[in-house]
Amino acid sequence: AIQMTQSPSSLSASVGDRVTMTCRASQGIRNDLGWYQQKAGKAPKLLIYAVSNLQSGVPSRFSGSGSGTDFTLTISSLQPEDFATYYCLQDYNYPLTFGGGTKVEIK
Amino acid sequence: QVQLQESGPGLVKPSETLSLTCTVSGGSISSDYWSWIRQPPGEGLEWIGYIYYSGSTNYNPSLQSRVTISVDTSKNQFSLKVSSVTAADTAVYYCARRSSLYGFHYWGQGTLVTVSS
Repeated sequence: AIQMTQSPSSLSASVGDRVTMTCRASQGIRNDLGWYQQKAGKAPKLLIYAVSNLQSGVPSRFSGSGSGTDFTLTISSLQPEDFATYYCLQDYNYPLTFGGGTKVEIK
Repeated sequence: QVQLQESGPGLVKPSETLSLTCTVSGGSISSDYWSWIRQPPGEGLEWIGYIYYSGSTNYNPSLQSRVTISVDTSKNQFSLKVSSVTAADTAVYYCARRSSLYGFHYWGQGTLVTVSS
């Protein structure tokens, strides 16, 4: 199975900060990478698919980049509603695998 | 707007079979891939497997020997069975719809299943 490693596992940031988190795959996954946001007690929500495509309704402060094995999710200006845990998911092959998550906390 | 809703017992005894159903509304189950994903308390997400409306399936090897996913297109539902459960199967179980382009773009709210005697 492809291993997805996210870093950092947690970070503290302030409203208005630019936040970047990364996801590394144990092998190349083309552009088959998505990002999900999960708030406490809620189901994950799709933010970005195919590395850099914003899901409908997702604010433009979210962006994704990368290729091959290394991928990045950036929040350009952190908002109060963005405090959550973020997961990457590879759907290049089966079994589908998620990263361990990056928890974004309030500084 | 497509909606998914999990249902089933919230408590299962060790060694028994966990059974959940996901009911799809606002759209037909006869397209895309329908998955089960679980999340143990305080932990990350684990993909369990999917079923296509035609009945073809794919399971995570970590659970394959104990998992069965089935579909009932007449009821717009798909179901999960996990046999011989232990405390390690305690988790919030989500059903989700995945397209080959978008990924998991629709999720149920999740249901907590606790394995305990």
